[in-house]
Amino acid sequence: DVKVTQSSRYLVKRTGEKVFLECVQDMDHENMFWYRQDPGLGLRLIYFSYDVKMKEKGDIPEGYSVSREKKERFSLILESASTNQTSMYLCASSITDATYEQYFGPGTRLTVT
Amino acid sequence: RKEVEQDPGPFNVPEGATVAFNCTYSNSASQSFFWYRQDCRKEPKLLMSVYSSGNEDGRFTAQLNRASQYISLLIRDSKLSDSATYLCAAPGDGTSYGKLTFGQGTILTVHP
Repeated sequence: DVKVTQSSRYLVKRTGEKVFLECVQDMDHENMFWYRQDPGLGLRLIYFSYDVKMKEKGDIPEGYSVSREKKERFSLILESASTNQTSMYLCASSITDATYEQYFGPGTRLTVT
Repeated sequence: RKEVEQDPGPFNVPEGATVAFNCTYSNSASQSFFWYRQDCRKEPKLLMSVYSSGNEDGRFTAQLNRASQYISLLIRDSKLSDSATYLCAAPGDGTSYGKLTFGQGTILTVHP
């Protein structure tokens, strides 16, 4: 079974703090993704990576950056957390083939106060 | 037109009912489609993949209508445990590297 893990299930940070969310997958997947999910807005793609050190912006990259130094690990960084970044953050991974199936981690519920 | 669009519901059905959700997509070149199930405060889990005309797994049937560009999910003999949000996903326009676009999700509540 594919296993995607995220560093924290719940996180509370203060406005202006730098926040790191980590994601690790154990299936040697090439592609990794960071989404945020908000009521009424669905899943929105923040950034994705298709290889080590490679990254591309998703639909809502503003205020975020990412790092992928190892194939199994993909980090999301909130440079200066703001209250509008309070959300559920979901990491996913997939293999590079025609199937596109993505597998999700358990999510991190981030609250910025 | 949104890339992937779903009726958010909610759908409230009694146990044993048959319920169907539709999901429209805009990328006519898409070859693969997915239904995910998401329980409250949990991550989406892959329910079914659809690569051709359809797929069936027990009480769940997913169908693809390429001419009208929609996929459907049919749940027969609904159980209380089927209560969840159902997300559909498809490769978006101009997508690469396995990107999927997700619909907003359809909320299903099955009641006794």
